[in-house]
Amino acid sequence: DAKTTQPTSMDCAEGRAANLPCNHSTISGNEYVYWYRQIHSQGPQYIIHGLKNNETNEMASLIITEDRKSSTLILPHATLRDTAVYYCIVRVAESKLVFGAGTILRVKS
Amino acid sequence: GAGVSQSPRYKVAKRGQDVALRCDPISGHVSLFWYQQALGQGPEFLTYFQNEAQLDKSGLPSDRFFAERPEGSVSTLKIQRTQQEDSAVYLCASSLGIFPGYEQYFGPGTRLTVT
Repeated sequence: DAKTTQPTSMDCAEGRAANLPCNHSTISGNEYVYWYRQIHSQGPQYIIHGLKNNETNEMASLIITEDRKSSTLILPHATLRDTAVYYCIVRVAESKLVFGAGTILRVKS
Repeated sequence: GAGVSQSPRYKVAKRGQDVALRCDPISGHVSLFWYQQALGQGPEFLTYFQNEAQLDKSGLPSDRFFAERPEGSVSTLKIQRTQQEDSAVYLCASSLGIFPGYEQYFGPGTRLTVT
């Protein structure tokens, strides 16, 4: 699985968009980009995934660069409840998820 | 609807004791995964089942770790002769099938403390 690089932590003001970057320069053509988050003392929660096209769902948007070497998760209107560790994962269509250290997002009022 | 449930939520074991951790996946989910999460780190894959078949156990750290899913639904992760380094949160996840398209739904985890 390709490795990912994420900032250790980020702060965001409540109500503003949170933009979380992820570098995956060694991603191969058949690897997907997945985002999960983990709120304190809970199991990870699926957010979104994509291959090469930008994706949007009710939680977030995923922007993948044309060369697929990086992506950005966008939470359009961050709330205090969005404070969590956000994991960017790249993988082929097989079983396991390989988590890195993730980004600690702190949403502040 | 009901999500993935795990029991117990907390377990304290003395070093050398055997423990059994239970996972009830979402009904109808054929794939089941176990992960181990040490304090301050991301989850690490342990093993994976498709129905009752254990297809990947490459992440099990030693032969003291054993997982089963005999009827293709409930799964048990057993740790024999627990050691202090086994202290962690053990997460179970289930999905309808193999990626892509099927996300993994995680349970709340079992926090194991070995004293």
